[in-house]
Amino acid sequence: ETGVTQTPRHLVMGMTNKKSLKCEQHLGHNAMYWYKQSAKKPLELMFVYSLEERVENNSVPSRFSPECPNSSHLFLHLHTLQPEDSALYLCASSQELGWVAEAFFGQGTRLTVV
Amino acid sequence: QKEVEQNSGPLSVPEGAIASLNCTYSDRGSQSFFWYRQYSGKSPELIMSIYSNGDKEDGRFTAQLNKASQYVSLLIRDSQPSDSATYLCAVNIIRVTGGGNKLTFGTGTQLKVEL
Repeated sequence: ETGVTQTPRHLVMGMTNKKSLKCEQHLGHNAMYWYKQSAKKPLELMFVYSLEERVENNSVPSRFSPECPNSSHLFLHLHTLQPEDSALYLCASSQELGWVAEAFFGQGTRLTVV
Repeated sequence: QKEVEQNSGPLSVPEGAIASLNCTYSDRGSQSFFWYRQYSGKSPELIMSIYSNGDKEDGRFTAQLNKASQYVSLLIRDSQPSDSATYLCAVNIIRVTGGGNKLTFGTGTQLKVEL
């Protein structure tokens, strides 16, 4: 365990469903991240939050909506997804924004869109 | 051209041998370099970082950086079956403006250490 917990670990959803992924860290970190990991593709940074403020959105479709209610929690709200959105979604946190490489990753949520 | 390029493998080495994992990157502004290990079904874990040309050793792991050739490698000595995993190379560009640093990953190389 790295101190970053993601739920659920597995999720199967239809294209018309709405679901949310949850990430929690109690490491006292100030920066949190959402990454997408698809087969045969590099890890892709989706969103970056620093002190609950979104500081980066890497051209992610609006069907993905992040939320950071406090520095310990990060959500990724999903709606009307496409089959190509099936992937492993990883949450990570780091002490500060500048320490992104030293981030601790959660175990990920394996998402399948049917 | 991919920003960070790795051979996907699998790279198979016998137990006790040296495993050599390679990575090239396209942006000459890259300033720091990292290797992550990812076991199947698990999350990436940072195992090595290197910031200047040359070698950096940590236990059985040695990272090598050559900025002129835009090349970074990871050597694993005395490979063990427990080293079997996917190894991700990542490079970091420090941005003066915007949301912190940009960390770009390669697709990873799968390593298999065989008995």
